[in-house]
Amino acid sequence: DSGVTQTPKHLITATGQRVTLRCSPRSGDLSVYWYQQSLDQGLQFLIQYYNGEERAKGNILERFSAQQFPDLHSELNLSSLELGDSALYFCASSAHRGFNYGYTFGSGTRLTVV
Amino acid sequence: SQQGEEDPQALSIQEGENATMNCSYKTSINNLQWYRQNSGRGLVHLILIRSNEREKHSGRLRVTLDTSKKSSSLLITASRAADTASYFCAPNRDDKIIFGKGTRLHILP
Repeated sequence: DSGVTQTPKHLITATGQRVTLRCSPRSGDLSVYWYQQSLDQGLQFLIQYYNGEERAKGNILERFSAQQFPDLHSELNLSSLELGDSALYFCASSAHRGFNYGYTFGSGTRLTVV
Repeated sequence: SQQGEEDPQALSIQEGENATMNCSYKTSINNLQWYRQNSGRGLVHLILIRSNEREKHSGRLRVTLDTSKKSSSLLITASRAADTASYFCAPNRDDKIIFGKGTRLHILP
């Protein structure tokens, strides 16, 4: 157990639907990062939050959004789902802003869009 | 942000041999990290080397960093079947790690 909790572990949904992925960072970590991993695209950085504020954006689609709550857990919302959104979604956390600290990854949410 | 490029893309060696993976990057960094990912699992942080360090050890892992050449290497000594995984280097400059495609390491029995 890495200390980063992601729920649900698996999710199967239909095209056009909306889902919410949840991440609880390791205790004491203020930064949360979201990544998408698919076979053809590899591991893609989506977005980063630090202590409730968005810090950096990567290849995140407009159909996707995220937020970090006061208790530091984070949610990634995916809407108008397409078949190509099927992937593993990872959350990671780190102490402070991550400088000179490694990232701790959760075990991921496997999303299948049918 | 920046992305590391790992080389080779894939590596197969016999159990007990040493495995060396290389990483190149393009801009200045604060530190460089190595991660391991077993198939379908989350990445695991292996080691972090700061920009002012040249070499670091952790168990069977040895990492070197050459900032003048913008390169790093990861050596795994006395490889085991459990080392079979993908390995990613992560040059970190602005706390937004962009992962490359990694090196797929396969340890043969």
